[in-house]
Amino acid sequence: KAGVTQTPRYLIKTRGQQVTLSCSPISGHRSVSWYQQTPGQGLQFLFEYFSETQRNKGNFPGRFSGRQFSNSRSEMNVSTLELGDSALYLCASSRGGDQNTEAFFGQGTRLTVV
Amino acid sequence: AQRVTQPEKLLSVFKGAPVELKCNYSYSGSPELFWYVQYSRQRLQLLLRHISRESIKGFTADLNKGETSFHLKKPFAQEEDSAMYYCALPQGTGKLIFGQGTTLQVKP
Repeated sequence: KAGVTQTPRYLIKTRGQQVTLSCSPISGHRSVSWYQQTPGQGLQFLFEYFSETQRNKGNFPGRFSGRQFSNSRSEMNVSTLELGDSALYLCASSRGGDQNTEAFFGQGTRLTVV
Repeated sequence: AQRVTQPEKLLSVFKGAPVELKCNYSYSGSPELFWYVQYSRQRLQLLLRHISRESIKGFTADLNKGETSFHLKKPFAQEEDSAMYYCALPQGTGKLIFGQGTTLQVKP
């Protein structure tokens, strides 16, 4: 079956702009999580959605937001971009049953803010 | 605060040598821990988890609650084991706390 798909793969944006990233989970998976990966901070959790509801949230400013649609696809939005937002953004999907459920990761969206 | 620490950024060994990738955690309670791996140009994927107590690709990991460790071990490293390895601690549903990762380099 198809894996987790993230679009676009690469993005270049200017400071102050906003950006929307998309994630299509594995069919049947209802949980979608987002992570930011940078060389300095590593992998950091942004938020998780399950059945269109945000269940868990990391320590990121309000400029980072997300949503999930009824088909479990998820989008992540970053407003008023800063240079420090340059990172690889990873999406992961799982069945969402409990915390021991395996997470399947997408290949990521590489965001560069100039 | 719950935290995962991988003290080594890079571990370089020769093919056939034993490998131990270190992971320490801070958590009050009985943790469930994972090891994820990212091979070159591939996506992050689960290698093994404590709850399964299984050996994957020759790797094993034992939870030591006294030392709060979950080290990943393999008796004989292969070149195809070269990758980035992350130790991860679930914190509620859908959230994983990752260590900083260790790059394993297996030299021929």
